[in-house]
Amino acid sequence: QKEVEQNSGPLSVPEGAIASLNCTYSDRGSQSFFWYRQYSGKSPELIMSIYSNGDKEDGRFTAQLNKASQYVSLLIRDSQPSDSATYLCAGGEPGYSSASKIIFGSGTRLSIRP
Amino acid sequence: KAGVTQTPRYLIKTRGQQVTLSCSPISGHRSVSWYQQTPGQGLQFLFEYFSETQRNKGNFPGRFSGRQFSNSRSEMNVSTLELGDSALYLCASSLGGGRSGEQYFGPGTRLTVT
Repeated sequence: QKEVEQNSGPLSVPEGAIASLNCTYSDRGSQSFFWYRQYSGKSPELIMSIYSNGDKEDGRFTAQLNKASQYVSLLIRDSQPSDSATYLCAGGEPGYSSASKIIFGSGTRLSIRP
Repeated sequence: KAGVTQTPRYLIKTRGQQVTLSCSPISGHRSVSWYQQTPGQGLQFLFEYFSETQRNKGNFPGRFSGRQFSNSRSEMNVSTLELGDSALYLCASSLGGGRSGEQYFGPGTRLTVT
C-alpha cells in the first residue's frame, strides 16, 4: 500500500530559527511532491511543489527531495508565529496522472514559540 | 483570479437525510477532487472529476456520489446520512495533466450529522 508518512508532532521551534519538516514515502514510482499548510479551522493551502531531486527555494521556504532515500523535507527559515500550522506532505505519480494518484500524509503540527 | 468556492459553508442534518454540496473550481481548472477530513482519519480522497467524467473513486460507500457539469462545477451528494459522516468536506481544483497534483482547496463545507 502506497503511503506518505510524517511525524505528527507537535514540533516546537523558537521564533527566528529554522523549522525542519520531514516526510518519507513508500512508492518508488512517486515523483511529484507537494507541501500544504493548513491553519486550524481552515483548508489546506499549496505552498511548494517539487518534481526533481535537490532543493527548491521560494522565499523563506526550501523543499528538498531525495528520491534515492524516498525522503522529502521542508525547511522554513526565520520562523514566524504565523508559520504555526499543520503541514501536509503529499506525493504521487508523475506526468499526466490524476489528482487521485496523490497521497497525503497525516500532517505535522508546527508551533513557533516567541 | 477567484479561488475555489464551496457552498454551503456549514450544514446540520439528521441521520437518514441526504445532502448535496457544491463546488466551483478556479476558472480554467478542469479537475475537481473531493476529500473528507476528520481529526482521526486525516484527508481522505472521495473522488475526482475531469471533463465531466469520474476518473477515480476512493474507498467510500455508494452513498457518496458526485458529478461534474460542463462548466466544471461539481456537486457531491451523500444519501442516508450517518453520524460518522460528520466531517469537513473539501473540494480542490487543479489544471489537470502534468499539474494534477497542484491542487487548490476551497474553504470546505462543515457537515454535522445529529
